[in-house]
Amino acid sequence: DAMVIQNPRYQVTQFGKPVTLSCSQTLNHNVMYWYQQKSSQAPKLLFHYYDKDFNNEADTPDNFQSRRPNTSFCFLDIRSPGLGDAAMYLCATSPVGAPTDTQYFGPGTRLTVL
Amino acid sequence: SQQGEEDPQALSIQEGENATMNCSYKTSINNLQWYRQNSGRGLVHLILIRSNEREKHSGRLRVTLDTSKKSSSLLITASRAADTASYFCATDAWAGTALIFGKGTTLSVSS
Repeated sequence: DAMVIQNPRYQVTQFGKPVTLSCSQTLNHNVMYWYQQKSSQAPKLLFHYYDKDFNNEADTPDNFQSRRPNTSFCFLDIRSPGLGDAAMYLCATSPVGAPTDTQYFGPGTRLTVL
Repeated sequence: SQQGEEDPQALSIQEGENATMNCSYKTSINNLQWYRQNSGRGLVHLILIRSNEREKHSGRLRVTLDTSKKSSSLLITASRAADTASYFCATDAWAGTALIFGKGTTLSVSS
C-alpha cells in the first residue's frame, strides 16, 4: 500500500546532541511537509519542499534543518536539541501543494530530549 | 497566529450518540478540512469542504460551512468507540500551500 513512513517512531536524544528524523513516501507526491506537534497543541508547520524547492516558515528556528535528496525521502535535522524541542514530529505529503490538496501523514516520530 | 479554533476542547459521549464539534476561523479561506488523530499517531484526512459549499457528507460524517460566520461543524452520527480520537480543522493560509490547524477537539466515546 502506498504510504508515508517515518523512522524511528520514538527517538531519545540528549540535550545538544544532533538528531535526524527520516520520512519516506511511496505516493510519489511532489510536496513533503514537516510539522511539529507539542502535547495537546495543533500541528505547526516547520517547512515544506515543493519538489526540490525548500520553503521555510518564518518562525521556524534555525536549529531545524531539512534535506530532500530525492522525491521519496525527506530528513529533519535538529542541530542542537533543547528541552523545548521535545514533541511529535509529523511528516506529510501532498500531490501538488495546492490549498485544496489533502495531506497524507505519517505516524509521526516522538522525540524525547533528556 | 492560529487560524482555526475548535470547540469544545473535549467531548465525552456514549456509543450510539451523535458528536458535534465546531471550528471557527479568522480570515477568508478557499477550503476547510477536517482531520482525525488517534492517540500518538499521525493525522488522517476525513473531509474537505470548499468555500462555495455549505454541507458535505461522507459516511457517518457531516460537515457544514458558514462562511458568513467563519465557522464549520463536524457531526459524527451513531458514534462508536473507534471514533475516540482528536479532531482538527485545518484551513488554507492566504499564502497558498500551508494548512493552519486548530488545537483540536478530543472526543471520547465509551461503550
